[in-house]
Amino acid sequence: GDSVTQMEGPVTLSEEAFLTINCTYTATGYPSLFWYVQYPGEGLQLLLKATKADDKGSNKGFEATYRKETTSFHLEKGSVQVSDSAVYFCALSSGSARQLTFGSGTQLTVLP
Amino acid sequence: KAGVTQTPRYLIKTRGQQVTLSCSPISGHRSVSWYQQTPGQGLQFLFEYFSETQRNKGNFPGRFSGRQFSNSRSEMNVSTLELGDSALYLCASSLGDTLSGANVLTFGAGSRLTVL
Repeated sequence: GDSVTQMEGPVTLSEEAFLTINCTYTATGYPSLFWYVQYPGEGLQLLLKATKADDKGSNKGFEATYRKETTSFHLEKGSVQVSDSAVYFCALSSGSARQLTFGSGTQLTVLP
Repeated sequence: KAGVTQTPRYLIKTRGQQVTLSCSPISGHRSVSWYQQTPGQGLQFLFEYFSETQRNKGNFPGRFSGRQFSNSRSEMNVSTLELGDSALYLCASSLGDTLSGANVLTFGAGSRLTVL
């Protein structure tokens, strides 16, 4: 079945540091890939998405590229801010599925 | 436009009781999905409804059930509560087609259930 493997956390960075959160997947066919973010006490918010190989999703300075050859969708940001502190989830939807398979989440803390 | 609204936000129950959670989707969204979030199991798919019909169901016992009304609002019910049912229950809505770039899940803030 489908699965998403996400970099274990927690991750602690200083403000303005470079961020990478690794995400790899196993799926049938050509899945759509997503990154969601969850701030404390809130639900999940869609951060970015990509639907086919080599697509790059981007939003709020975050980027992720759909790499079919390595089945990866790593999240990156060049300069993190304290306000980026949250839990980040990688997810996929494959075939005709109307549900998401999530990774385990990565807690990011950015210190001033 | 208004987002996905879940009620109640917090609730406390005791073992053996039952609970009903409510979800109002984004206007125009016909699909409603439910997910359970726990520290141990992460985010797990419960079920998905479209036009009052359950289309998909995750691997949960029959104590977990749901329904969708003609206005697309949805409820989920958990009967005979167990301690392990303590979780954040997230509702999400979408247009109803295959999830892709054009059709994505939008989540509510969740209902946090504590079972004592």
